[in-house]
Amino acid sequence: DTAVSQTPKYLVTQMGNDKSIKCEQNLGHDTMYWYKQDSKKFLKIMFSYNNKELIINETVPNRFSPKSPDKAHLNLHINSLELGDSAVYFCASSLYRQLANYGYTFGSGTRLTVV
Amino acid sequence: AQSVTQLGSHVSVSEGALVLLRCNYSSSVPPYLFWYVQYPNQGLQLLLKYTSAATLVKGINGFEAEFKKSETSFHLTKPSAHMSDAAEYFCAVLQAVGNKLTFGGGTRVLVKP
Repeated sequence: DTAVSQTPKYLVTQMGNDKSIKCEQNLGHDTMYWYKQDSKKFLKIMFSYNNKELIINETVPNRFSPKSPDKAHLNLHINSLELGDSAVYFCASSLYRQLANYGYTFGSGTRLTVV
Repeated sequence: AQSVTQLGSHVSVSEGALVLLRCNYSSSVPPYLFWYVQYPNQGLQLLLKYTSAATLVKGINGFEAEFKKSETSFHLTKPSAHMSDAAEYFCAVLQAVGNKLTFGGGTRVLVKP
């Protein structure tokens, strides 16, 4: 009964490969996010979807492509992986009009290591 | 855009001592502020939030934070540290434009026996 679940938890892959990370939430939220946490723990937003519509698209290489098949799912596909993509990727969800009152619920993260 | 700054990337406290983590904000509008905790190899968990209802906010695990407009601060405290408080703590602010949270750089808390 995990609220926000990400798979896989760990991902080790070679440079140049393509990989995907999946996220699902069962909270009934209408907005989902991808954040990247670097080795110094700094958190940076990448994308956000509200009811399957892309609403935030930060300055991210176009090798990163999010997809939201429905409001409970948000996936992240990364093409041509580079060493600098190594990080922990967090999925989060919220109610768009209640973000101030409730904040985000985070998944447990996917640790991506590119070798 | 709103921003938060956490002073001190590392804080070391003795078990039983006061924990004080500093967060200052910059905002041209009344801010909505949050504190999150990240335990090792886990996601972030909401500790508490400020939504203008009360300046002193109590959260989970004995933590509380006080909003001080005059000092543009939202510092997090716990009177008596426990070994289980060892974690990374993040202050965050809700962006008025974009409806998203922006996080501070985090403060790692080490608790010594």
